[in-house]
Amino acid sequence: RKEVEQDPGPFNVPEGATVAFNCTYSNSASQSFFWYRQDCRKEPKLLMSVYSSGNEDGRFTAQLNRASQYISLLIRDSKLSDSATYLCVVENQGGKLIFGQGTELSVKP
Amino acid sequence: DADVTQTPRNRITKTGKRIMLECSQTKGHDRMYWYRQDPGLGLRLIYYSFDVKDINKGEISDGYSVSRQAQAKFSLSLESAIPNQTALYFCATSDNRDRAGDTQYFGPGTRLTVL
Repeated sequence: RKEVEQDPGPFNVPEGATVAFNCTYSNSASQSFFWYRQDCRKEPKLLMSVYSSGNEDGRFTAQLNRASQYISLLIRDSKLSDSATYLCVVENQGGKLIFGQGTELSVKP
Repeated sequence: DADVTQTPRNRITKTGKRIMLECSQTKGHDRMYWYRQDPGLGLRLIYYSFDVKDINKGEISDGYSVSRQAQAKFSLSLESAIPNQTALYFCATSDNRDRAGDTQYFGPGTRLTVL
């Protein structure tokens, strides 16, 4: 079993749709959680950190459920520019990041 | 100018050749990392360094070595390249002082092809 698992993609949605990505992690001692965004053939960039209380940044909402070891990312009112691969990332002891394989999102006009 | 740079950006080489990938950063971060990315597998950690005198193996270090020449420089070597080392390689840095945890900043990547 992979340490961080994400929904398989791709997700193909129309502009304006709401889309949700899910992620589970296996190490209960994981300390910090993130969503990164990666455009095609580009480097990953931090989208947002994920806090236990949940957090929102504009159209993006991240949730963490430590008991279920589950992380989610909700994107409302999808834009064409949201098309990318979204990486679920977990920080374990010692500051090492474990990356999920990514979920590809394609927003269509 | 980019904060994290990688050279070369693209490289095609032959089996058995020695290859060095270089990474430099101007962010002043202590921590540096090398990852490789393969389709469907996500990013996997090869080596990491938390300061100039610190080198640690990651998930897939076999066939690779690293050198931390200075705080700002971290190079990755393939002693004898083989075709299954064909991948996209990323360098990253962090300072682990972000409140939310170890946010990492990535270089633009090096696309390596081993024939």
